[in-house]
Amino acid sequence: QSVLTQPPSVSAAPGQTVTIPCSGSSSNIGSDYVFWYRHLPGTAPKLLIYENNKRPSGIPDRFSGSKSGASATLGISGLQTEDEADYYCGSWDTSLSVGVFGGGTRLTVL
Amino acid sequence: QVQLVQSGDEVKGPGASVTISCKASGYTFVNYGITWVRQAPGQGLQWMGRISPFNGNTNYAQNFQGRITMTTHTSTTTVYMNLRSLRSDDRAVYYCAREIAVTGTVGIYFFDYWGQGTRVTVSS
Repeated sequence: QSVLTQPPSVSAAPGQTVTIPCSGSSSNIGSDYVFWYRHLPGTAPKLLIYENNKRPSGIPDRFSGSKSGASATLGISGLQTEDEADYYCGSWDTSLSVGVFGGGTRLTVL
Repeated sequence: QVQLVQSGDEVKGPGASVTISCKASGYTFVNYGITWVRQAPGQGLQWMGRISPFNGNTNYAQNFQGRITMTTHTSTTTVYMNLRSLRSDDRAVYYCAREIAVTGTVGIYFFDYWGQGTRVTVSS
C-alpha cells in the first residue's frame, strides 16, 4: 500500500499527450515538493522532474510537472514508443521525515 | 562522472541477514546523502531510509526499524545497508540513490543518480 496514489496504468497513441496523476495528503504533497521518476524494470530509476516542475539537464521539454494542493500531475507530450515505462511520483512526509512514493503507473504507447 | 556501483545479487535463507554495498565515485562523497529504495516483485518503489556520509546520521522507515542499519566508510566512499531477519517478502531489488537537497529546505531530497540495483532472493 503506497502512500501516494497513482493509477496502475495509462495508455495513449504515439504523438499524443498523456497525463499521470498523483494524489497525496497535507503531510506530503500538500506541504512539500513532488518528484517524478521513470523506471524500466531491471534498470536504475531515472529522475524526470524535481521540485514539482523542473527538469534535470537532458530531460526533454516533452516532460512536464505540475502541482495543485495535495495532487500532482506528470505530462508527457509527443509520445514515443520508448516512453513506455513505469512512472513514479515521490515526495516527503515532512512530519515523519521519510520519503514516500506512489505505486507507479505503467505507460503503454499503443 | 557520478557513479553508484552496488554489490552483486544475493541469495539468503529466511532469518539471515544481507549487507549490500554502494560505492560512490565522481563527486565529493560527504556532501551528499544516500537513500535506499527497494522494489519487490510486482510492487512499487519503497523508501527504506537514508544516511548522511557527512555525520553518519540515519533515518529509517518505520517498516524497517530494528532490522536495518546503514553505515558509511568515508575512506572508501562506500555506503552499506544491512537488513536482518530476512523474510520471504524481503525478496526485492534494492537500490541506493544519491540525494540532492531541495533548495532552501531542510530534510527534503530528490534522487539524481541511482545504483544499478542488487537483487536479493530469500529462499529456504
